[in-house]
Amino acid sequence: ELKVEQNPLFLSMQEGKNYTIYCNYSTTSDRLYWYRQDPGKSLESLFVLLSNGAVKQEGRLMASLDTKARLSTLHITAAVHDLSATYFCAVDDSNYQLIWGAGTKLIIKP
Amino acid sequence: GAGVSQTPSNKVTEKGKYVELRCDPISGHTALYWYRQSLGQGPEFLIYFQGTGAADDSGLPNDRFFAVRPEGSVSTLKIQRTERGDSAVYLCASSLTRDTGELFFGEGSRLTVL
Repeated sequence: ELKVEQNPLFLSMQEGKNYTIYCNYSTTSDRLYWYRQDPGKSLESLFVLLSNGAVKQEGRLMASLDTKARLSTLHITAAVHDLSATYFCAVDDSNYQLIWGAGTKLIIKP
Repeated sequence: GAGVSQTPSNKVTEKGKYVELRCDPISGHTALYWYRQSLGQGPEFLIYFQGTGAADDSGLPNDRFFAVRPEGSVSTLKIQRTERGDSAVYLCASSLTRDTGELFFGEGSRLTVL
């Protein structure tokens, strides 16, 4: 059974700092997704990672995938307040289901 | 509209009642998914449709839950004899096909069972 773990689950940081959110998963998969969710809102797709070594960047966010280590990272560079949200990773279990992490609640203080 | 549309956005009902939640996916998307999200948790898979048929309904928690997609577009999630534990946000998502992977989510239907 595929399990997905994110850490940390909660992160409070200052603007301008860098940090990384980690997503580990337990069985082989070659598709991983990162989503953002603002309070009371739905899920917004950030990145789709489809192969080992995939790296994608959008603004201050960069995501990478290491399928051998079963690890994805979401790196935040020079954080700004607008990035405050909950970030989820989700892994495709090859049975049409996405298995989701518990989410990382990110608070960025001015 | 360009996105996934879900109605109602909020539904309050009494224990034991029947509810229907509707999802209108992005036009042309053949894959449609229902998820359930409880406060502070990630979404939990319920059911996946490819076209009109339910390709995987293994996430439905019990036989009180049922979903249909009769014409391969709009889908309805039906919950009979609602229980307080059914309270959650029910999310619908669609994708162009199963293999394109990226899901586009609606705003969700928040169900509260009193």
